Amino acid sequence: EVQLVESGGGLVQPGGSLRLSCAASGFTFSSYAMHWVRQAPGKGLEYVTVISSDGGSTYYANSVKGRFTISRDNSKNTLYLQMGSLRAEDTAVYYCARDRCSGGSCYAIGVWGQGTLVTVSS
Amino acid sequence: QSALTQPASVSGSPGQSITISCTGTSSDVGGYNYVSWYQQHPGKAPKLMIYDVSIRPSGVPDRFSGSKSGNTASLTISGLQAEDEADYYCSSYTRSSTPVFGTGTKVTVL
Repeated sequence: EVQLVESGGGLVQPGGSLRLSCAASGFTFSSYAMHWVRQAPGKGLEYVTVISSDGGSTYYANSVKGRFTISRDNSKNTLYLQMGSLRAEDTAVYYCARDRCSGGSCYAIGVWGQGTLVTVSS
Repeated sequence: QSALTQPASVSGSPGQSITISCTGTSSDVGGYNYVSWYQQHPGKAPKLMIYDVSIRPSGVPDRFSGSKSGNTASLTISGLQAEDEADYYCSSYTRSSTPVFGTGTKVTVL
């Protein structure tokens, strides 16, 4: 069974840092581009970042560029999101997600995790 | 990277057809055939319903269909069923190499 399990969410103060992890199983992790998407409470989906299957290419939404870093460890089947200089508006459920197809990105998300809540508040 | 524009809500009776629009620009929806649609039930993760404008993944009922004209994409649900009540989001690849989501549409089955 294909599965993505996020961890690392929680309460953090404004200006602080947090690292999210996403453990993947049930598929060849190293063959897929991976994404992070977030959803503020009661709001819509917002694309955050994507990393290529080999980790060589990354892209970020303007709202997080320079503050967040996506990375992956294909030997551990794990995706990461390092978040820094956190703001109240970063409060959201963060979803780890797998691209629809292997190889290059197919520009659609085929598998989603259940999400982890990050709350930025003093 | 402005969000694509969707109607806030659409409703219909069981068995009816409804259409959700998704309006962007030539830098996203109009420029690429990489529009996808996601269904999200309350408290759940989104689910891919349509990709590449009009292709249904395996397991998605054929009452869901997608299309595009110019800068506007559309999702049509034919033969509306109670379980179709959910939030729906469109998404498009963009010139900046990151996708953008729509504002979301709440579908209510009357």
